[in-house]
Amino acid sequence: AQSVTQLGSHVSVSEGALVLLRCNYSSSVPPYLFWYVQYPNQGLQLLLKYTSAATLVKGINGFEAEFKKSETSFHLTKPSAHMSDAAEYFCAVSDANNNDMRFGAGTRLTVKP
Amino acid sequence: NAGVMQNPRHLVRRRGQEARLRCSPMKGHSHVYWYRQLPEEGLKFMVYLQKENIIDESGMPKERFSAEFPKEGPSILRIQQVVRGDSAAYFCASSLNTGDQETQYFGPGTRLLVL
Repeated sequence: AQSVTQLGSHVSVSEGALVLLRCNYSSSVPPYLFWYVQYPNQGLQLLLKYTSAATLVKGINGFEAEFKKSETSFHLTKPSAHMSDAAEYFCAVSDANNNDMRFGAGTRLTVKP
Repeated sequence: NAGVMQNPRHLVRRRGQEARLRCSPMKGHSHVYWYRQLPEEGLKFMVYLQKENIIDESGMPKERFSAEFPKEGPSILRIQQVVRGDSAAYFCASSLNTGDQETQYFGPGTRLLVL
């Protein structure tokens, strides 16, 4: 069975600062990993996904994540935060069949002016 | 191409009533997933359906909850005799297929409030 743990339920950064949202996974099979963003009162939007190709994955809105098998991590980063990045971010893991996706508890990102 | 559509966006029910949540997948998608997001928690998988078939319902509560995805029309998540603990956001996602690189696309969710 797969699971993910997101470290830090709340992260606050200043505008222009580095964004780092942490995600560690547990999986008995090669995982597929995802980051989703949820803006208030909206559904989830896919930011990026890792499906066993390149370990550094670039997504939308300037975000990227690196798959590190040795650390079982898939942290999300962005070099410079914008006010519009304020949202809730969810890390998720699934198996190759993509049927049973497991989500982390989410990390709420606040961006200070 | 319209995205995943869910309605209603907000639903208020009194304890004991029934709640019906609808999900129309993206055009061409035949796989539907339902998730529940409880306050201050992440999303929890509930059920995975293909047309006319329930593939995996391991996340569904054993009682009062049911789901269907008929040959024609939207997928329906039905909650009978709702209780306050059912208050949550319910998200539907769809995918074209399963397997490698098949992404789940999410709808805007239905926020259920049980009074």
